[in-house]
Amino acid sequence: QITLTQQAESLWVSPGEKVSITCRASQSLLYTDGKHYLSWYQQRPGQTTKALIYHASIRTDGVPTRFIGSGSGTEFTLSIEDVQPEDIALYYCLQTLKKPYTFGAGTKLELK
Amino acid sequence: VQLVESGGGLVQPGKSLKLSCSASGFTFSSYGMHWIRQAPGKGLDWVAYISSSSGTVYADAVKGRFTISRDNAKNTLYLQLNSLKSEDTAIYYCARRGMSNYFDYWGQGVMVTVSS
Repeated sequence: QITLTQQAESLWVSPGEKVSITCRASQSLLYTDGKHYLSWYQQRPGQTTKALIYHASIRTDGVPTRFIGSGSGTEFTLSIEDVQPEDIALYYCLQTLKKPYTFGAGTKLELK
Repeated sequence: VQLVESGGGLVQPGKSLKLSCSASGFTFSSYGMHWIRQAPGKGLDWVAYISSSSGTVYADAVKGRFTISRDNAKNTLYLQLNSLKSEDTAIYYCARRGMSNYFDYWGQGVMVTVSS
């Protein structure tokens, strides 16, 4: 199965700063259609899990432009520019290239 | 789009439980659906998938014990959990397979506790 590694368990950030969360895959997530099957999700207490990014870099409807997905092959990054207090949450990457689908272990974004 | 799970609770090891996920706000029969779980304090684990044509795939940890199914007339997704183990204790979420093969909408989750 494909393993996704999110190196940082926690990241500390002040409002207004930029933060980057990385996700490394054990094999390329590029499919023959030219798309990467890597998506990003946000978990906040008391709220449903929210999809932020799919195909590595496409924001889902309504997601603020400060959320930026990038990367290719096996290395992917979710960047949050001008962090807002409501961005304090857990973030997970997910690969849907091959079953069993697998998640990264998650990165907790915390306020300094 | 709304997904609402139900059916969780406390169950003894070796027993069974059936979870439901009621869907609304979209044409349920046209979408594949997933179950995902999250053990207390842990990350997310994909459990099972059912396509719009009812083809199924399972994670190795649940294969042979869990069964995913759907009733399109009732707009409801199910997960039958048999031979439950303590390590199945988790919040169980249903999620919709988006058209670009990601999990575009999630339910709020339902807790399953396996303990004697």
